[in-house]
Amino acid sequence: DVKVTQSSRYLVKRTGEKVFLECVQDMDHENMFWYRQDPGLGLRLIYFSYDVKMKEKGDIPEGYSVSREKKERFSLILESASTNQTSMYLCASSLQGATEAFFGQGTRLTVV
Amino acid sequence: GEDVEQSLFLSVREGDSSVINCTYTDSSSTYLYWYKQEPGAGLQLLTYIFSNMDMKQDQRLTVLLNKKDKHLSLRIADTQTGDSAIYFCAVAWNKLIFGAGTRLAVHP
Repeated sequence: DVKVTQSSRYLVKRTGEKVFLECVQDMDHENMFWYRQDPGLGLRLIYFSYDVKMKEKGDIPEGYSVSREKKERFSLILESASTNQTSMYLCASSLQGATEAFFGQGTRLTVV
Repeated sequence: GEDVEQSLFLSVREGDSSVINCTYTDSSSTYLYWYKQEPGAGLQLLTYIFSNMDMKQDQRLTVLLNKKDKHLSLRIADTQTGDSAIYFCAVAWNKLIFGAGTRLAVHP
């Protein structure tokens, strides 16, 4: 079974902190994604990566950056956390862009 | 850009059929997916349909695709309390675009 693992289920951080959310997949997938999920807004794409060291902005990249140094790992970085970044963050991977995406369990981040 | 729309809430009685609807704008989508999210969990793929198909049936699930109207639906037969969840429609071109999700509530 494909496994996508996010490093934390719950995280509480202070405003202004630098925050790292880590995601690892074990199926040698080319593509990895970071979404945030907010009630009534569904999933919004923050960034995605289709290869090591490659990244593309999604719909809401402001305030975020990403890193993909190894194929299996995709990190989301909040450079200076703000309260409006309190959300559920979901990582996903897929073999190709249009094929089935497998999701991690999510990280609920609260910024206080 | 691409847009996917769903109604936000659906309430059904246990044993009835549920129909969750989705409309999209990107006509070049190759795959269309239905994901299920249970409370506190990530998204789990429920079923999918290729863009050259009209219908797909998988046990209690039936997916209908009307490409002309850009309309996708998911029918759950004999809905059970365990089907209570949020259901996301997603269309795929070079990346997945998700709808806002439909919260399905099943009551006795």
